[in-house]
Formats: sequence, C-alpha cells, structure tokens
Amino acid sequence: GENVEQHPSTLSVQEGDSAVIKCTYSDSASNYFPWYKQELGKRPQLIIDIRSNVGEKKDQRIAVTLNKTAKHFSLHITETQPEDSAVYFCAASRHGDYKLSFGAGTTVTVRA
Amino acid sequence: SAVISQKPSRDICQRGTSLTIQCQVDSQVTMMFWYRQQPGQSLTLIATANQGSEATYESGFVIDKFPISRPNLTFSTLTVSNMSPEDSSIYLCSVDVGTDTQYFGPGTRLTVL
Repeated sequence: GENVEQHPSTLSVQEGDSAVIKCTYSDSASNYFPWYKQELGKRPQLIIDIRSNVGEKKDQRIAVTLNKTAKHFSLHITETQPEDSAVYFCAASRHGDYKLSFGAGTTVTVRA
Repeated sequence: SAVISQKPSRDICQRGTSLTIQCQVDSQVTMMFWYRQQPGQSLTLIATANQGSEATYESGFVIDKFPISRPNLTFSTLTVSNMSPEDSSIYLCSVDVGTDTQYFGPGTRLTVL
C-alpha cells in the first residue's frame, strides 16, 4: 500500500517568516494530495489540495507544489502568523480508491 | 463541503464494555470512513463504511472488534467492542463528497479505564 513520509516532525518559525513541510509518497499511481490542519482538540481541516495534473496551486498565503517524477509534494506557508500554529498532515490517495494515507504530521509553532 | 456531526463528543468507559459512536451528515454521500487517531499520532483508517453491505476493514482492524453499520447515505455507526485502555483514542468519521475530497467530523474522544 501507499507509504507517506513527512518532514520535519516539528517546525518553529518566527512570525512573518515562511514555513515549508515536505512529503514523499511511494505509490506512483497516487494522484490526489490534500493537506490538513489540525488545531489542538479540533478536527482535521482541509486547507489545500493538489491533483497530479497540476504542478503548483496557491491559495492566499499557502501553496502546494508537486513533483511527480520524484514523488514528493510540499506545503509552503508565507508570512506566518500565530494562528498558523497547528499540526499539519499531508496525505495521498489514488483516484477511485478514496482511501487516504496520511503522513505522521508536522507540529508548526509560530513565535511572536 | 458537508456538515458532519458525531455523538458522543467524548466518553469515559470501563474496560470490557462497548461504545457505539454515531456519525451524521447533512447530505447524502457515497463514501464514509472511520479513522482512529491515537494521542499525538496521525490518522489511521479503520474501515470504509459501505451502504447496504459489510464494511471494508484495513489491515489490523477486524469486524468483531469494530463493527460498523451504514443503514443509509447520511448515517453510520462505529462500535468499539470489549474495550481495553489501548483503545483510548480519538475516533473520527469522514465523508468523501465525490471529488476524492474528505471532510472530517469533530471526533469522539474515548478514554478507557
């Protein structure tokens, strides 16, 4: 099955700086890559996703890039704010399979 | 997206007992899933709840321990049977709204003493 590795496990950044989280996947048939943000005690919330026919997608301060050849994708958060502090999970699935395989998560702390 | 609710939001149970968790969606969805999130860990898929047929379980999870019902396209239940302290986790349902995109319920925090 799919194996998703996520790095780093923790990330501390100064407010206003950028944060980058990287994930690699093993199944070359995977074609859907969502990112979830989970605040303490809350449900995972979808913040951005990308499909394999696109190399990059941006939504305000967050962006995701995908390198299908290398089988890795990354989340970029620019101009970080204290409310960006949370655990971020990457995931991967194949079209029609519906099952998401999650990375281990990255705890992001934005220092004021 | 979809509005998803779960009941109960949390519970404390004695070992050897069972707890049934409910998941309700505000619209009909084909795919519903159940995940477990152990403290400080990632999400692990338990099973896919299939409407009108038996659930499809992932490796390491069995029907006797985690029976699932899916009577219609808006509702599912997960039962955690014969609980032990190792079952203490957050249990989350999710739905696929038809574009591979999954949205999660608020979760049920289970503590087994």
